[in-house]
Amino acid sequence: NAGVTQTPKFRILKIGQSMTLQCAQDMNHNYMYWYRQDPGMGLKLIYYSVGAGITDKGEVPNGYNVSRSTTEDFPLRLELAAPSQTSVYFCASTGDGLSYEQYFGPGTRLTVT
Amino acid sequence: TQLLEQSPQFLSIQEGENLTVYCNSSSVFSSLQWYRQEPGEGPVLLVTVVTGGEVKKLKRLTFQFGDARKDSSLHITAAQPGDTGLYLCAGEPAYSGTYKYIFGTGTRLKVLA
Repeated sequence: NAGVTQTPKFRILKIGQSMTLQCAQDMNHNYMYWYRQDPGMGLKLIYYSVGAGITDKGEVPNGYNVSRSTTEDFPLRLELAAPSQTSVYFCASTGDGLSYEQYFGPGTRLTVT
Repeated sequence: TQLLEQSPQFLSIQEGENLTVYCNSSSVFSSLQWYRQEPGEGPVLLVTVVTGGEVKKLKRLTFQFGDARKDSSLHITAAQPGDTGLYLCAGEPAYSGTYKYIFGTGTRLKVLA
């Protein structure tokens, strides 16, 4: 049981490049989330999903896209990277109803130069 | 826009001192969580409170949810260097039914030996 896994751990992108941040969970959770965390700050919700095939925008969705083709995977796509997207990205998942706990992955540190 | 304001933003105290961190909003939340985050890692859940006025204790940590479910506090008794970290509150807005969480701005605690 690996919990929530994210790849890569670190990445440097040039302005205008694109990339996909991978997130997978093996807890059969329906709810998955993508957050970004700027230095010393709290987390801001980018996108979330309540199940395979269903996604919705969070607070800061501009410049990002997501898909949820399976329960396990929730990749985050950055198109045309900009310096403002330099941040640490966390993926999280939570079970239905009875448990409110969000389980977080270890994060991806992204720098756009 | 629903916001969770945490205070103080930074706190540096000596080992053995007591402290309280506050998490305030003008919005009502169905549940509120407290997380601790260490450098380079994702947040880890400390507690979830769901009932107005609820008090939960976790060893030297005491959590309270406000009667109106708009605010919460975290009190640490006899702080230890191991308590050092970023403390985050996160709330699920009432009536949203979306399992979408809003994170507070964070309190960075440093406990000096």
